[in-house]
Amino acid sequence: GESVGLHLPTLSVQEGDNSIINCAYSNSASDYFIWYKQESGKGPQFIIDIRSNMDKRQGQRVTVLLNKTVKHLSLQIAATQPGDSAVYFCAERNNAGNMLTFGGGTRLMVKP
Amino acid sequence: KAGVTQTPRYLIKTRGQQVTLSCSPISGHRSVSWYQQTPGQGLQFLFEYFSETQRNKGNFPGRFSGRQFSNSRSEMNVSTLELGDSALYLCASSWTGYEQYFGPGTRLTVT
Repeated sequence: GESVGLHLPTLSVQEGDNSIINCAYSNSASDYFIWYKQESGKGPQFIIDIRSNMDKRQGQRVTVLLNKTVKHLSLQIAATQPGDSAVYFCAERNNAGNMLTFGGGTRLMVKP
Repeated sequence: KAGVTQTPRYLIKTRGQQVTLSCSPISGHRSVSWYQQTPGQGLQFLFEYFSETQRNKGNFPGRFSGRQFSNSRSEMNVSTLELGDSALYLCASSWTGYEQYFGPGTRLTVT
């Protein structure tokens, strides 16, 4: 079925290192992808998005890469900081509607 | 610009009761979506409203319903609550249906 999944449930990195969070999706009809960050007790916070006609998009310290050939999405965080510790979700939007399908989430832990 | 607000933030109900949750979207946003978040099932789409009409619906039983008002504020209702309905209910608003911004959620506990 259509699903979005993450390769790793937990990622532990050293402060200052770069982090890479991966996501696989199976719905080739998805036209839009979003990464969210969720801290404990809060709702998901929009980080960055990318449309299916792009393969890379950069924001402040974050980069999203989209590989449509292998249906893979990744979020790169440069110079990871303790404040980046959270659960990260990827989500895809099916072009048939506005619903988002979320992956299971990856917990990022930043060691000082 | 104020973000998405949800009320109440916490709620405890008993099995069989019903509950109504409220969501006020970001000013100017006409699309409001609802999601249920549980440790076991993750984030799951409930429904989306746009200009007072339900535009999309997820795979949830009919006990889950919603509506949207002319000012874009939205409510969702769950009738005949079950223990499995305990979850964080999240509302997200959007201008275009693409970028969706979430509120803090309502934590519902059913006992």
